[in-house]
Amino acid sequence: QVQLRESGPGLVKPSETLSLTCTVSGGSISSDYWSWIRQPPGKGLEWIGYIYYSGSTNYNPSLQSRLSISVDTSRNQFSLRLSSVTAADTAVYYCARQKIVGAITNIFDYWGQGTLVTVSS
Amino acid sequence: SYVLTQPPSVSVAPGKTARITCGGNNIGTKSVHWYQQKPGQAPVLVIYYDSDRPSGIPERFSGSNSGNTATLTISRVEAGDEADYYCQVWDTSSDQGVFGGGTKLTVL
Repeated sequence: QVQLRESGPGLVKPSETLSLTCTVSGGSISSDYWSWIRQPPGKGLEWIGYIYYSGSTNYNPSLQSRLSISVDTSRNQFSLRLSSVTAADTAVYYCARQKIVGAITNIFDYWGQGTLVTVSS
Repeated sequence: SYVLTQPPSVSVAPGKTARITCGGNNIGTKSVHWYQQKPGQAPVLVIYYDSDRPSGIPERFSGSNSGNTATLTISRVEAGDEADYYCQVWDTSSDQGVFGGGTKLTVL
């Protein structure tokens, strides 16, 4: 059973960089795609971006200029860095396994429990 | 970018059938997935590939997709089904995930 756990600071100051790490257990990171998804308080889900274990990435265009996702296969971890944050980046951040289904679509079948990141001075 | 539209809320009495829609341009040509999210919890996949159920999801949950609307159907609704439900597709043209705005299911 694959398990994911997010870790990182719960409070970030405006204009600084938000950094989170997702640790994968119960399976190898070196076989799938891995995504970050966020949810502002009381709002819906927003896909942030994915990384393949090889290091290839794709990002949500609305965040692309501030976003970086990386992977460390030796630690079975992947990470998110979002720069120049504002209050609008306050959200619960989830990491999830992204699975290709039928070669044409992707689902998120395993999720972390989520971590709330608040942007405030 | 591709847009998915869901009604903000749906209400249903226990034992009845709930239908939650997800609208999108020619969504019938895409594969639609559905997630259930209870307060304070991470989303859980309940339907994938339009109508397939992951292991452990009750048969009361079903899905369909045609034209411009996909539908999640929950039969014999129980109090425990009260949650937010999100539809999701993969936009192959941009290689990105897209979620609907979510629907709050209230069991009366």
